[in-house]
Amino acid sequence: TQLLEQSPQFLSIQEGENLTVYCNSSSVFSSLQWYRQEPGEGPVLLVTVVTGGEVKKLKRLTFQFGDARKDSSLHITAAQPGDTGLYLCAGAGTGTASKLTFGTGTRLQVTL
Amino acid sequence: NAGVTQTPKFQVLKTGQSMTLQCAQDMNHNSMYWYRQDPGMGLRLIYYSASEGTTDKGEVPNGYNVSRLNKREFSLRLESAAPSQTSVYFCASSVNRGREGQYFGPGTRLTVT
Repeated sequence: TQLLEQSPQFLSIQEGENLTVYCNSSSVFSSLQWYRQEPGEGPVLLVTVVTGGEVKKLKRLTFQFGDARKDSSLHITAAQPGDTGLYLCAGAGTGTASKLTFGTGTRLQVTL
Repeated sequence: NAGVTQTPKFQVLKTGQSMTLQCAQDMNHNSMYWYRQDPGMGLRLIYYSASEGTTDKGEVPNGYNVSRLNKREFSLRLESAAPSQTSVYFCASSVNRGREGQYFGPGTRLTVT
């Protein structure tokens, strides 16, 4: 069974601060995805990274896939209240199956 | 495009009752999934359908059945509901086998008393 550990579990910061969320596993993934989920809604796909060492930027969000494709990080620059939510990472296995393994999430609160 | 739609949004069942959760997607995706989300447990895969005509068990399939009715629709059935099935259920779809990312519906909040 592939496991994905996210850290920290909870993060409360003020507007304008920077933060990094980590997603770690001992397993190799063919791709790593990040989602954001707001209360009462389904997760929304933010980005997919596929190549080891890959870095993708989405406005103030920077995503990196580890060289060995076992871990990933999400960095937010100058956080805003609109960034508040549950951030989930998910890894796709290297076999032919369709299954994703989700991390347990990082709950971020950004206050004024 | 509505994306992924789920019905109902909320449901309360008594122990032993049955019900079917409906899911449809209009993105012409091949693969569809059912997850449950519980506090502290994250999203856990119940069943998935890699393509029309196929279904496979996920991590927590016991007590559930699924039907891939056609390419658009994937239903989840609880034959005899139990309090342990109280959860939020999400349907998702992907172009092909999920590696490129999945698209989620708004969820069904189910309470079994």
